[in-house]
Amino acid sequence: DAKTTQPPSMDCAEGRAANLPCNHSTISGNEYVYWYRQIHSQGPQYIIHGLKNNETNEMASLIITEDRKSSTLILPHATLRDTAVYYCIVRAMNRDDKIIFGKGTRLHILP
Amino acid sequence: GAVVSQHPSRVICKSGTSVKIECRSLDFQATTMFWYRQFPKQSLMLMATSNEGSKATYEQGVEKDKFLINHASLTLSTLTVTSAHPEDSSFYICSARGPGDSPLHFGNGTRLTVT
Repeated sequence: DAKTTQPPSMDCAEGRAANLPCNHSTISGNEYVYWYRQIHSQGPQYIIHGLKNNETNEMASLIITEDRKSSTLILPHATLRDTAVYYCIVRAMNRDDKIIFGKGTRLHILP
Repeated sequence: GAVVSQHPSRVICKSGTSVKIECRSLDFQATTMFWYRQFPKQSLMLMATSNEGSKATYEQGVEKDKFLINHASLTLSTLTVTSAHPEDSSFYICSARGPGDSPLHFGNGTRLTVT
């Protein structure tokens, strides 16, 4: 898998938008950007993924730069329940492709 | 959406005994499942790839005789920690890919404590 780089931790005030950056400068043309999060003592939860266009779902928005070397996950109105470790992963859309996790970003939502 | 169920969620066992953890895909078939281990304050570490009807593929440094993986059906993979020791105490998580182009989905993990 291509490597990703994320800040180790971030703070965000409750109710504000949380913007989590990710660098993936060696991403290949057929690799997608995936975001997962892990709340304490639970399994990772899928959030969103994209190839080159920006994506939005009920949980978040994903903004991918035109050169695809970086992306930003946006939680539009952060709540205390969004406190978690967020992982940015790049991988090809291949049924047998394993996911290797980096260290992620620990997001603290401040009341 | 695709659901992956893990059982048990917590288990405590004595040193030297074996523990089996089950991972089920509830509403889809999964030819491939993945097993991870996570120590406190660390990221998930991939242990092995479980393939239905064939042998699992283990990551470097993971003892295949200690962590037995069986993927006997398209909806069930099991991980057996044999002759468990206190250093095997960890959070074990499985995952499986949903149908079609679905992303990987994860179980809620099993916390193993070996006393």
